[in-house]
Amino acid sequence: EAAVTQSPRNKVTVTGGNVTLSCRQTNSHNYMYWYRQDTGHGLRLIHYSYGAGNLQIGDVPDGYKATRTTQEDFFLLLELASPSQTSLYFCASSDVGTSQNTLYFGAGTRLSVL
Amino acid sequence: GQGVEQPAKLMSVEGTFARVNCTYSTSGFNGLSWYQQREGQAPVFLSYVVLDGLKDSGHFSTFLSRSNGYSYLLLTELQIKDSASYLCAVRAYQGGRALIFGTGTTVSVSP
Repeated sequence: EAAVTQSPRNKVTVTGGNVTLSCRQTNSHNYMYWYRQDTGHGLRLIHYSYGAGNLQIGDVPDGYKATRTTQEDFFLLLELASPSQTSLYFCASSDVGTSQNTLYFGAGTRLSVL
Repeated sequence: GQGVEQPAKLMSVEGTFARVNCTYSTSGFNGLSWYQQREGQAPVFLSYVVLDGLKDSGHFSTFLSRSNGYSYLLLTELQIKDSASYLCAVRAYQGGRALIFGTGTTVSVSP
């Protein structure tokens, strides 16, 4: 069974704060993704990566940085958090080729920026 | 621009069926996936289609018409536990390889 683990599960910070969301996958997948989910918008892609050291910009990248340190680990960084970044964040991984359409999601991190 | 559209809500009755529609407009097409997301949980993969026609997976079927930019997920013999949000996602050939998700359709199954 594919495994994607996110931490923390819940996080509260203040405007201007520094936040790091972590994701680890044990699937040996090449691709990893960060999405945010908001009512009325669905899942929106922030950043993704196809391997260690690689980073691709998604559809809503403003205010976010990401780093893929190993094949297993993908981090999302909010260096100056704003209330508009209050959201539910999902990390996911996938294999290559047609298997790239099958995403395995972590349980999510709920972030509140006050 | 690129987009994936789904109706927001759908209500149905236990033992009957529900059809969740999805229309998309993307610069290229490289497959369409359906995910189920229960309240407070992560999305879970259900099905992937890339060729036109109907794909039967038992409790549900998926249909694709590439020329019309249209797909549906058909849930049959509905059970209360099928109440969830169903997400349609398209992989566009150009502009990156990640999935573009619709906003999801919340299916409510009543007794």
